[in-house]
Amino acid sequence: SQQGEEDPQALSIQEGENATMNCSYKTSINNLQWYRQNSGRGLVHLILIRSNEREKHSGRLRVTLDTSKKSSSLLITASRAADTASYFCAAFKAAGNKLTFGGGTRVLVKP
Amino acid sequence: NAGVTQTPKFRVLKTGQSMTLLCAQDMNHEYMYWYRQDPGMGLRLIHYSVGEGTTAKGEVPDGYNVSRSTTEDFPLRLLSAAPSQTSVYFCASSIETLAMNSPLHFGNGTRLTVT
Repeated sequence: SQQGEEDPQALSIQEGENATMNCSYKTSINNLQWYRQNSGRGLVHLILIRSNEREKHSGRLRVTLDTSKKSSSLLITASRAADTASYFCAAFKAAGNKLTFGGGTRVLVKP
Repeated sequence: NAGVTQTPKFRVLKTGQSMTLLCAQDMNHEYMYWYRQDPGMGLRLIHYSVGEGTTAKGEVPDGYNVSRSTTEDFPLRLLSAAPSQTSVYFCASSIETLAMNSPLHFGNGTRLTVT
């Protein structure tokens, strides 16, 4: 399996609920990034968390990073229909200058 | 501010045909990248450039060529298309190297089908 794998692959929630998705990676990293992709569009950067950070917030988004477990989570609070998208984590390792994307989590927020 | 612009949006090719996917950015970013996205596999890096006049191979470079004659443009060439190159192609740029915690800015992609 590759660096940066998301879980679950798909998630369906009601508007107003929270959505949590997880990302696991295999080797030590320098930072981990989360991106959103709306259908038929390019990826949009959401949050970057450095390896020496444990938690980061941006609006309704909260990202955690646990380097001991080699995992990260993205929490979207009070979800809206407009949050319907695919979410990708990407793990960056400076040695080799390698950014590896996971396969994504498809989130459906039902109104 | 247009950001990263990719053309065309869609293209159908026959096996053996050639084509160039265009990518232009107006943010004066030094670093540019080409990725392909296949179902369930995330994005895989094809080629990248760290500045005008430079190119480097990524994870899946075979069958593709790139050039970087200007800061703004980073075209991707398929010399002899194969069905395995059916994919969605994304161009991206960043202001600094990824090691400087610089995020990627993506275009909206080109959906290519090779029959």
